[in-house]
Amino acid sequence: DGGITQSPKYLFRKEGQNVTLSCEQNLNHDAMYWYRQDPGQGLRLIYYSQIVNDFQKGDIAEGYSVSREKKESFPLTVTSAQKNPTAFYLCASTGTGKGMANGYTFGSGTRLTVV
Amino acid sequence: AQSVTQPDIHITVSEGASLELRCNYSYGATPYLFWYVQSPGQGLQLLLKYFSGDTLVQGIKGFEAEFKRSQSSFNLRKPSVHWSDAAEYFCAVYNNDMRFGAGTRLTVKP
Repeated sequence: DGGITQSPKYLFRKEGQNVTLSCEQNLNHDAMYWYRQDPGQGLRLIYYSQIVNDFQKGDIAEGYSVSREKKESFPLTVTSAQKNPTAFYLCASTGTGKGMANGYTFGSGTRLTVV
Repeated sequence: AQSVTQPDIHITVSEGASLELRCNYSYGATPYLFWYVQSPGQGLQLLLKYFSGDTLVQGIKGFEAEFKRSQSSFNLRKPSVHWSDAAEYFCAVYNNDMRFGAGTRLTVKP
């Protein structure tokens, strides 16, 4: 079955450490997104990519970085510059143009905790 | 700027009772409209969507939503709530990019 896979499910980061969250999809979707979810704040867009080798900042990109070397993969790195990284991170994908009609497909999320 | 408002942060209903979750948006044109559901520690699952045509749309799990252009609303309804419907519900609007409401947490009393 096609879907979007996030790993790991739980991740612990020490102060000053960079960590990378994985997101892989086999839906042949062009566009991929990273959201951060905090209680009571809904989903906030970190970065998105609509085509390989290209990506744009979302509303809260500071302290994060991404790459899009393959259509299937869109990893997110939480850098030491992100001062409050503890959150639930969601990856999503969608087709473009008429493919948008099906909305976003979400992964099951990664919970990142600073220890 | 485009925005999505879910006025109710938390709603509690009894099992078997009807449910309505509110969603309002601010856009110049009619955008694409979605409702998603999220169980604790999980991703979001699409319940239903509206693009055009019939303003009453049916979704999965017995949910429906009605688009009212005059009120810029897209409220989610279910005639009879089941205990398994307890979750967080997000309204989303797409017009060049996707914007999510802050979510409404649904608690179901036995």
